[in-house]
Amino acid sequence: GAGVSQSPRYKVAKRGQDVALRCDPISGHVSLFWYQQALGQGPEFLTYFQNEAQLDKSGLPSDRFFAERPEGSVSTLKIQRTQQEDSAVYLCASSLIVLGNEDTEAFFGQGTRLTVV
Amino acid sequence: AQKITQTQPGMFVQEKEAVTLDCTYDTSDQSYGLFWYKQPSSGEMIFLIYQGSYDEQNATEGRYSLNFQKARKSANLVISASQLGDSAMYFCAMSLALYNFNKFYFGSGTKLNVKP
Repeated sequence: GAGVSQSPRYKVAKRGQDVALRCDPISGHVSLFWYQQALGQGPEFLTYFQNEAQLDKSGLPSDRFFAERPEGSVSTLKIQRTQQEDSAVYLCASSLIVLGNEDTEAFFGQGTRLTVV
Repeated sequence: AQKITQTQPGMFVQEKEAVTLDCTYDTSDQSYGLFWYKQPSSGEMIFLIYQGSYDEQNATEGRYSLNFQKARKSANLVISASQLGDSAMYFCAMSLALYNFNKFYFGSGTKLNVKP
């Protein structure tokens, strides 16, 4: 596709429900990132994939958060037993990234707005 | 620890005037990149401009320029000739070379309103 695509755009979940958020990166992009953006705040890093390998998951807030990218393309962010504090916009970004290439641009999707009620 | 600070929650500017959005950063790394992104109400983050820590000249991209003052650790965005379509949230971000240049640390953002 032309850009990073995320689905669904909006998700309302009851507290305790499991949710899965999907990210379709730009074709051929090696790197994929997930960010969490709380209302009125800047995005915060969650996790990073290089192809199918999850190289950094230091930003995942708890073990209820799990991300995968099994074939090095589409990625899914799963949140188990959702809590109200999980309400946020979840942004996915991808880039061609050659390690250390400082000029590589990251392209962001429009995000999934998750509301836990 | 890395930190980005944007001290202006909101800014107003008259159409066709210039505006400066402030950003200061804190890192002990010597090699890093500084970015500005625009986030309209539709939600996507739109890349505006990049400045590398070793770049001696300030970056410019069309109406956007980055006023990089390394000793003061500031990276202010200057938008010249503001347009109504510039109304949006603006985020300053930093990434570190040691890791890779796409793990961003974002500031809290500045909401810019351009008045006709």
